[in-house]
Amino acid sequence: DTGVSQDPRHKITKRGQNVTFRCDPISEHNRLYWYRQTLGQGPEFLTYFQNEAQLEKSRLLSDRFSAERPKGSFSTLEIQRTEQGDSAMYLCASSSTKGGYTFGSGTRLTVV
Amino acid sequence: AQKITQTQPGMFVQEKEAVTLDCTYDTSDPSYGLFWYKQPSSGEMIFLIYQGSYDQQNATEGRYSLNFQKARKSANLVISASQLGDSAMYFCAMSPREAGNQFYFGTGTSLTVIP
Repeated sequence: DTGVSQDPRHKITKRGQNVTFRCDPISEHNRLYWYRQTLGQGPEFLTYFQNEAQLEKSRLLSDRFSAERPKGSFSTLEIQRTEQGDSAMYLCASSSTKGGYTFGSGTRLTVV
Repeated sequence: AQKITQTQPGMFVQEKEAVTLDCTYDTSDPSYGLFWYKQPSSGEMIFLIYQGSYDQQNATEGRYSLNFQKARKSANLVISASQLGDSAMYFCAMSPREAGNQFYFGTGTSLTVIP
């Protein structure tokens, strides 16, 4: 296993378009997290899955954002009707119940 | 409320010297974990070191050590024998038990190692 994988690495989109990001966690990790990191800031928690269940959602996750983990493996984060304020690095992390919190390299979104 | 404060936006250190990156935190949870991550320009968050709130001794991992002062709520990272490859953003993070699996991050410190 090569760690947490995120795709794409970079995404440029026009304002108003929808975008979807994918995260593949470490295979034996049952927990998956999404964070958002804007320029000059640390990552901020968005949401958390245990297996396929979405157990926590931050108030940062507006109605335009939706995350899924349908089979308890990979996860997708969709942003509808993107706004310039959505420009950020979106980081995924995974862990097991015993720990091993590991981040991916992130998807850098630019909304123009 | 949970809060992590890193007051040094940027730091410079001479190669082979030691450097201390400051971090203070605030939480009412008596059980929490403190972490330091390195983020190079590629974007990946690389785990460096962990300190549990009940750990009696300061954590060490190779050239990294964590100066944990619980009464002051500080968790400073010490990097010894700096290398050029240490140049990166460094983030302090906290995970209180009451917050489940959520991490709270500071705003980071940009470290530049000078040859």
